[in-house]
Amino acid sequence: DTAVSQTPKYLVTQMGNDKSIKCEQNLGHDTMYWYKQDSKKFLKIMFSYNNKELIINETVPNRFSPKSPDKAHLNLHINSLELGDSAVYFCASSQPTGTGWTEAFFGQGTRLTVV
Amino acid sequence: GNSVTQMEGPVTLSEEAFLTINCTYTATGYPSLFWYVQYPGEGLQLLLKATKADDKGSNKGFEATYRKETTSFHLEKGSVQVSDSAVYFCALDTGRRALTFGSGTRLQVQP
Repeated sequence: DTAVSQTPKYLVTQMGNDKSIKCEQNLGHDTMYWYKQDSKKFLKIMFSYNNKELIINETVPNRFSPKSPDKAHLNLHINSLELGDSAVYFCASSQPTGTGWTEAFFGQGTRLTVV
Repeated sequence: GNSVTQMEGPVTLSEEAFLTINCTYTATGYPSLFWYVQYPGEGLQLLLKATKADDKGSNKGFEATYRKETTSFHLEKGSVQVSDSAVYFCALDTGRRALTFGSGTRLQVQP
């Protein structure tokens, strides 16, 4: 069974469209994330949710809106897509531990191409 | 703010060569340090971790030691294989529950 699954794997769309990426985890984790990986492979946190509550919201355009219907799902909706949004988007989940560090489990990524 | 600096890639080695990928960090407090690996077309996988100074993380022949005095966490492997070809990311977590990643280093191992 896939621990963290994202759909779709590939998404090609035109500028100005609205699209969503879905993410589900079956690990029972409380925390889920969205990361963006640009063309140079640089990874940056976008959002983090803990038990459906937003806890991290980095400097991301408000065209990006995460939604967590339950703690196993974290979807990413993007309005008015721009060329610069082209990237690979990774969903991840983790479970806080008493040791103060958390191992994040990543999905396979969604490659978004805006044309 | 927190940041992670990795050596530029790609790193190209012959099979059985010794590998070092440098990683240094800047962080407030006492971060936990990680190496993640990304194989082609896949998501990231945790390779190894160290949660306090002088800890050594190890897995699959890879090792890294948490050096607080030099703020470093260099990745090493004594003998690389073609199957180790991937992108390697150094990362830290200061308890914020979000990872700060370096820019990644692509490793290419030739037979």
